[in-house]
Amino acid sequence: DQQVKQNSPSLSVQEGRISILNCDYTNSMFDYFLWYKKYPAEGPTFLISISSIKDKNEDGRFTVFLNKSAKHLSLHIVPSQPGDSAVYFCAASLGRGLNYGGSQGNLIFGKGTKLSVKP
Amino acid sequence: KAGVTQTPRYLIKTRGQQVTLSCSPISGHRSVSWYQQTPGQGLQFLFEYFSETQRNKGNFPGRFSGRQFSNSRSEMNVSTLELGDSALYLCASSLGLGGTGELFFGEGSRLTVL
Repeated sequence: DQQVKQNSPSLSVQEGRISILNCDYTNSMFDYFLWYKKYPAEGPTFLISISSIKDKNEDGRFTVFLNKSAKHLSLHIVPSQPGDSAVYFCAASLGRGLNYGGSQGNLIFGKGTKLSVKP
Repeated sequence: KAGVTQTPRYLIKTRGQQVTLSCSPISGHRSVSWYQQTPGQGLQFLFEYFSETQRNKGNFPGRFSGRQFSNSRSEMNVSTLELGDSALYLCASSLGLGGTGELFFGEGSRLTVL
């Protein structure tokens, strides 16, 4: 049973437009969410995160929105650039909270969405 | 500062053999986690080590094991390899306590089982 779902395996966007990647989760106890980007032949790299006490976090062109009632989060990339073409993974964590006393290494990942940004 | 280093990057084994993969975390990071990535299942958590102790374990059979040394370096071992163990094995490090909690991944060890 998948606890973190990325229902779109792929997404194609024109350069300069907005990319919206979506992620749904089932466990309401998740308290921390992260997005990772992965290029071929490389490990995932951290992009942006959000705590469950917030509904929005922004970092440059990247914004993550969290809707706890819908158990849904999304990553917005504006404007999209060809270098953004990669696989994007949504991940969720239990027990991380604000005290970091719990396990940090156990992230539950979605299966990824492959983003292609066309010039 | 140097990132997470995994060795070997590529290896080929046959069914029934065993394999050991190594991971050196970012300097100062005390937590090391291992993930298996396959096309069908995405990234799946194997286990996490902190201060030489396993803190968390994913849903994998006992053939998958790991350990962490006093310098935070970690190894994972897979015994009696099966064809389905072919995957990219990713190691990730984090501070472990405090910090912002993000995981920093290595480039992975790609295992092919024939």
